[in-house]
Amino acid sequence: AQSVTQLGSHVSVSEGALVLLRCNYSSSVPPYLFWYVQYPNQGLQLLLKYTSAATLVKGINGFEAEFKKSETSFHLTKPSAHMSDAAEYFCAVSDPSRGGYNKLIFGAGTRLAVHP
Amino acid sequence: DAGVIQSPRHEVTEMGQEVTLRCKPISGHDYLFWYRQTMMRGLELLIYFNNNVPIDDSGMPEDRFSAKMPNASFSNLKIQPSEPRDSAVYFCASSPGGGAYEKLFFGSGTQLSVL
Repeated sequence: AQSVTQLGSHVSVSEGALVLLRCNYSSSVPPYLFWYVQYPNQGLQLLLKYTSAATLVKGINGFEAEFKKSETSFHLTKPSAHMSDAAEYFCAVSDPSRGGYNKLIFGAGTRLAVHP
Repeated sequence: DAGVIQSPRHEVTEMGQEVTLRCKPISGHDYLFWYRQTMMRGLELLIYFNNNVPIDDSGMPEDRFSAKMPNASFSNLKIQPSEPRDSAVYFCASSPGGGAYEKLFFGSGTQLSVL
């Protein structure tokens, strides 16, 4: 079975600082990996996804993530945090061993706070 | 496009009552998913449909939960009878032909409180 671990349920950074949100996955097959963002009182929105093409994936709002097979990681980064980045971020992995790629397994989420 | 539309936004009910949550997916999307979000369990997939047909309902917690998709523009999730442990945010999401591994479009969710 596949699973996702997000290290750190809360991360706090200063405006303009580097954002690093960690995600590790377990998978016996090549995974599809995703980062979604959830703003207060809203549904999730796709930031970026990895589908076995380039290992460095660029997403919306200046975010990017790098797939590292050797480390089973897919960490999300942004060089310079903005106040509007404050939200909850979810890493997700597909689960082809359990009914196809449509079953996304989500991590527990990391709440990002950005302070002036 | 208006996006995925869920109703109601908030539902407060008493234990034992029937609850119906509604979802209108984005027009033209082939897939529809129901998720539940709680502090304890995070985001859980309950069931998903492809072209109005339920494909996988293994995440539905028990027989009290049922979901239907009578046509391409509507789905509902029913809980009968409801229990306090069903309190959660329920999200509906739709996806075009590529499915979840292409992109999920989420609605704003229904906050359910069962007293």
